Amino acid sequence: EVQLVESGGGLVQPGGSLRLSCTASGFTFSSYEMNWVRQAPGKGLEWVSYISGSGSIIYYADSVKGRFTISRDNAKNSLYLQMNSLRAEDTAVYYCARDGVPNSYINWFDPWGQGTLVTVSS
Amino acid sequence: DIQMTQSPSSLSASVGDRVTITCRASQGISDYLAWYQQKPGKVPKLLIYAASTLQSGVPSRFSGSGSGTDFTLTISSLQPEDVATYYCQKYNSAPLTFGGGTKVEIK
Repeated sequence: EVQLVESGGGLVQPGGSLRLSCTASGFTFSSYEMNWVRQAPGKGLEWVSYISGSGSIIYYADSVKGRFTISRDNAKNSLYLQMNSLRAEDTAVYYCARDGVPNSYINWFDPWGQGTLVTVSS
Repeated sequence: DIQMTQSPSSLSASVGDRVTITCRASQGISDYLAWYQQKPGKVPKLLIYAASTLQSGVPSRFSGSGSGTDFTLTISSLQPEDVATYYCQKYNSAPLTFGGGTKVEIK
């Protein structure tokens, strides 16, 4: 069974840092591009970042560029999001989501993890 | 960047009604469009990709159409379990923008 499990969320002060992790199982992790998507309380979905299977291609939303860093460790079947200089508007549930097709650049997202809540507040 | 605009933002319909949600891209995206369903308190779920391809396991009352800039998601006969927010998403290139969502309720 394909599974994605996020961890690392929590309460952090404005200007602080947090590192999210997403542990994958049930598929060949290195063959799939991965994404982070977030959803602020009561709001819609916002794509945050993409990383190719090898890690050589990375994209960010303008709202997080320069503050967030996506990375992956294929030996550990893990995806990461390092979040620095956090702001109140970064408060959201953060989902990791797998590309729908292996080794195929950018595609739809399937499946999604359960999400981890990040709250930025003093 | 290409913007994705969904309409309506919410709708209320009766069980058995045909429901149509539209998604418009500010520039052409060919058929690089997906639709997701998010039930209250749940994780988003893929319904349709490549504008009209139904994901395995998704009921056949869901269908998608369109290409270029204009797309539709249709529920042919609304069921109580279809209460959810529906999102479109472009994936032709980054940024992988979502539409604002359409909340579907039962009248």
